[in-house]
This record gives sequence, structure tokens and C-alpha cells, in this order.
Amino acid sequence: AAGVIQSPRHLIKEKRETATLKCYPIPRHDTVYWYQQGPGQDPQFLISFYEKMQSDKGSIPDRFSAQQFSDYHSELNMSSLELGDSALYFCASSLGRPSKGSGGYNEQFFGPGTRLTVL
Amino acid sequence: LAKTTQPISMDSYEGQEVNITCSHNNIATNDYITWYQQFPSQGPRFIIQGYKTKVTNEVASLFIPADRKSSTLSLPRVSLSDTAVYYCLVGDRARGGSQGNLIFGKGTKLSVKP
Repeated sequence: AAGVIQSPRHLIKEKRETATLKCYPIPRHDTVYWYQQGPGQDPQFLISFYEKMQSDKGSIPDRFSAQQFSDYHSELNMSSLELGDSALYFCASSLGRPSKGSGGYNEQFFGPGTRLTVL
Repeated sequence: LAKTTQPISMDSYEGQEVNITCSHNNIATNDYITWYQQFPSQGPRFIIQGYKTKVTNEVASLFIPADRKSSTLSLPRVSLSDTAVYYCLVGDRARGGSQGNLIFGKGTKLSVKP
């Protein structure tokens, strides 16, 4: 079965440079989430999109921005990179917008991640 | 979101049943309990989700007592490949700004030995 695709898998940048990470969700999935996981840390939610609109925002720095395109793929743009941005960046996708009512989480399918190293 | 507490690490041997307990004293009425598994350098993977009593799938069982203040993930007959970090998440996807995004706390690092 098709899975979430992330590119590139590895990226090395210098301080103050920019980086763009790409995520291609599972076909027909309309929601994309971005997570950051620093070395030895737990995944931290950054931002999410549903139907090309920003759905929720977590601990995403102002230096980062993201969007979801008409084909549902998403890009995370990172500028003025800092050493502390070195981390694994995961994209996840799910199907269906969380309803306003209560309910369990929609199952999220994670990609293999992009390992960003800032030197 | 309800705060969760899990053991930092657990050791087991192949073939044993492993039970990982998660405490969530402040669980809200509409909260669900969800478990994810993460192998090193890989994205988390959904294991199981439940609201009350017992849920079982092909991978694990989830036991939730009546007061729902804790839950136990049960992995039957673990193998070396079950060595991973296991995260317990508690929440309602539509509450508190968490529009489905997962809030990971400190997981349990399970080490399975031969």
C-alpha cells in the first residue's frame, strides 16, 4: 500500500540558510501534519493542514512556514536555520477532518522523516 | 489535554507478555486513549485506540478500567522486533485546539532481549 513520502530523506545546511521539506500524503488523505523530533526528544507537533487550509498550529517557530497545495502535498519552509533546528522532521497524513464533536483521533500515518542537520 | 505518566523504560525477553501502564488521572469524559509505537529514526505508528473496557486488535490489547484513570497496553509474546518506544496519548481530537494533532509525552522505551 502507498505510504507517506517525504523528501529529501537527509539534508545538510549551514546556519542562516533556508530549507524546504516536502511531504506527499497517502492518496485520498486530505489532512497533513508536521512534527519535529530533536535528538533524544519526543515528537513535537508543528502545524497541520486540512483541505489546503491551516488547521492548527503548534510550536512552530516564526522562521518556519508551511502550506498544502492543490494536490494535497505539503511543504515546510525553514529560513534562518539555527543549530537547534537539527532534528528529524516527520510528516503524517490522515483522512477526514476532525469533527467538532468528540471522538478519538483519526489514525495518522507517518512518513519516514527528513533528517535535517544544521552545521 | 490530560497529562500522562508512563514508565521511562522496561525490559523483557522474547516470548513474554509485556504490559505497559499509563496513568492519566485528569482524563476528560470525551477523551480517548491512543497508543503509538516508534522505532529508532522512524515515524510513530498507530497501535490501538480505546475509550473504555477492552479493545483488541491483531497487534495488541488495551485494557481500560472503569474509572479510566489509567490504561494498560498489552503486547502478547514479544519478539526482538518489538523493541521500540511506546507512547500513550490521551485526548479528544476536537478539544483544546488539538484538531487531531498528536501531543506526545514521554514514552516508554521497551527493550526485548533474546
